[in-house]
Amino acid sequence: DAKTTQPPSMDCAEGRAANLPCNHSTISGNEYVYWYRQIHSQGPQYIIHGLKNNETNEMASLIITEDRKSSTLILPHATLRDTAVYYCIVRAIYNQGGKLIFGQGTELSVKP
Amino acid sequence: EAQVTQNPRYLITVTGKKLTVTCSQNMNHEYMSWYRQDPGLGLRQIYYSMNVEVTDKGDVPEGYKVSRKEKRNFPLILESPSPNQTSLYFCASSLNGPYEQYFGPGTRLTVT
Repeated sequence: DAKTTQPPSMDCAEGRAANLPCNHSTISGNEYVYWYRQIHSQGPQYIIHGLKNNETNEMASLIITEDRKSSTLILPHATLRDTAVYYCIVRAIYNQGGKLIFGQGTELSVKP
Repeated sequence: EAQVTQNPRYLITVTGKKLTVTCSQNMNHEYMSWYRQDPGLGLRQIYYSMNVEVTDKGDVPEGYKVSRKEKRNFPLILESPSPNQTSLYFCASSLNGPYEQYFGPGTRLTVT
């Protein structure tokens, strides 16, 4: 599975959009981009995933560049409750095995 | 309510005393997994199960055992716990692979 690179930390003002980048320059054609988040010491929470088209759900939007080497998770109107560590994971669907590797993630602090 | 439950939530034990952490899901998911989380090391996968009677090692399986005799349950067994297994443990499940996983609330284990 491709490796991802994320900034260790970011700040965002409450009510503004939070844009979390992820670099995955070695991604291959059958690998999806997944995002999870973990609020302090709680279990991680699935947010969104995508292959090459932009995706949106009730929590966030995922923008994947045309060459698929990077992506951005967008929280359109960040609240204090969005303060968490955000993990970007790249993984092929239906490959062999059930491993999922979480990196260090980005610690997002939403400030009043 | 769809959920993953873990018991106990907190446990303090002594070196060498066998223990079991239970995990149960009510979503009829085929895939289940155990992770441990340590400061500076992030989330690491211990074991996973693609279905009943099918289990496989994750990245840090040493010192742990699992079983999957029924679809809903995936207990984590520490036959002879040691202090280096002091950690925060998460169980997770998903429909058919390590993709959109639901995580439990965590079990904080301390081995003295």
